Amino acid sequence: AQSVTQLDSQVPVFEEAPVELRCNYSSSVSVYLFWYVQYPNQGLQLLLKYLSGSTLVKGINGFEAEFNKSQTSFHLRKPSVHISDTAEYFCAVSGDRGSTLGRLYFGRGTQLTVWP
Amino acid sequence: AAGVIQSPRHLIKEKRETATLKCYPIPRHDTVYWYQQGPGQDPQFLISFYEKMQSDKGSIPDRFSAQQFSDYHSELNMSSLELGDSALYFCASSKLGLAYNEQFFGPGTRLTVL
Repeated sequence: AQSVTQLDSQVPVFEEAPVELRCNYSSSVSVYLFWYVQYPNQGLQLLLKYLSGSTLVKGINGFEAEFNKSQTSFHLRKPSVHISDTAEYFCAVSGDRGSTLGRLYFGRGTQLTVWP
Repeated sequence: AAGVIQSPRHLIKEKRETATLKCYPIPRHDTVYWYQQGPGQDPQFLISFYEKMQSDKGSIPDRFSAQQFSDYHSELNMSSLELGDSALYFCASSKLGLAYNEQFFGPGTRLTVL
């Protein structure tokens, strides 16, 4: 089975500073990788996804992530954050065998707090 | 664009009561997934349906059951509720295609068991 580790439970950062949210996964097969954002009292919104091809993936709101197969990582980055980026961020990986193709395995989440 | 609809948005129940959560997928989506997110926890996969048939099963308690109806909406039935069932329950929908079938999430139903 797949598993996801988000190395930081909380990341505080000042506005306009760069940020990196770290994610490592474990899987014996090729997988699909995702980052979701959750604002307070809302559902999960897809930020970006890696399916195949270029290892640098660009998403919404200026976020990007880089897939590193050798390090089994999929870190999320943004060069300059805004206060509105304050939210919980979840890294997720899909299953890649048979009927588990669609199931998502989530990390514990990283709370990003942007201070003025 | 139409999104996934979940009802109710909030639900308060007593221990040992039953609850029914409903999910209305995006039109023309054929697959529904249910996830449970406990307080401060990551979402955990419960169960999924494709074309009204169960397609995958995760860590869903025996007290819970679910189904997908002919109009593709899904219901999660929870009986003998326990305090530990208090959580945010997400539904997601997708359309099976040639490429990876991206899941679109609803806003969730927050269940509180007293």
